[in-house]
Amino acid sequence: DTGVSQNPRHKITKRGQNVTFRCDPISEHNRLYWYRQTLGQGPEFLTYFQNEAQLEKSRLLSDRFSAERPKGSFSTLEIQRTEQGDSAMYLCASSFPDMRESPLHFGNGTRLIVT
Amino acid sequence: KQEVTQIPAALSVPEGENLVLNCSFTDSAIYNLQWFRQDPGKGLTSLLLIQSSQREQTSGRLNASLDKSSGRSTLYIAASQPGDSATYLCAVGPYNQGGKLIFGQGTELSVKP
Repeated sequence: DTGVSQNPRHKITKRGQNVTFRCDPISEHNRLYWYRQTLGQGPEFLTYFQNEAQLEKSRLLSDRFSAERPKGSFSTLEIQRTEQGDSAMYLCASSFPDMRESPLHFGNGTRLIVT
Repeated sequence: KQEVTQIPAALSVPEGENLVLNCSFTDSAIYNLQWFRQDPGKGLTSLLLIQSSQREQTSGRLNASLDKSSGRSTLYIAASQPGDSATYLCAVGPYNQGGKLIFGQGTELSVKP
């Protein structure tokens, strides 16, 4: 168990550019979640997958955001035409599907700064 | 709509003190409540998970309680140490919301040597 891995750790981009983040979950976990966290706040849910199926998307996930998990393993989160308001820490988490007993395991996040 | 509140937002204590962090939630229809620790610039580390049918969970110097009827949870830290300094977040898992968690804003704890 190597934990949840996220790349890159930091990304600085100019407004209007596209960015893509990657998350590699714990291999036995078939649920994968994306959260966003701004300074001084708790994480906010964005979307989640069970295997390759994207089961829910938050209203926070505008049309500029897209997430994929093509083979039910790693996932990518793409932001198109970035805006300064997209600056945040993007966190990925994974778990087993039993919601009652399975804690979420988080990666160290990708810190995005849009200038 | 489920809302989670943590009080206080920040807490500073001397080393060795026992302390309690509070978490309240508005809707008791949850399947579990989880406490996490977050160090600056890092992700979240799971500390304790309490299922909705349970009243408390313990791990080492940590004890978390859950009172669903009143919408409250507490995290008790015994004999605090400087290494306990971090932000502590609670999160609830609402029924019928697919396994996602709703987080509070966190309590930033500083333990002074």
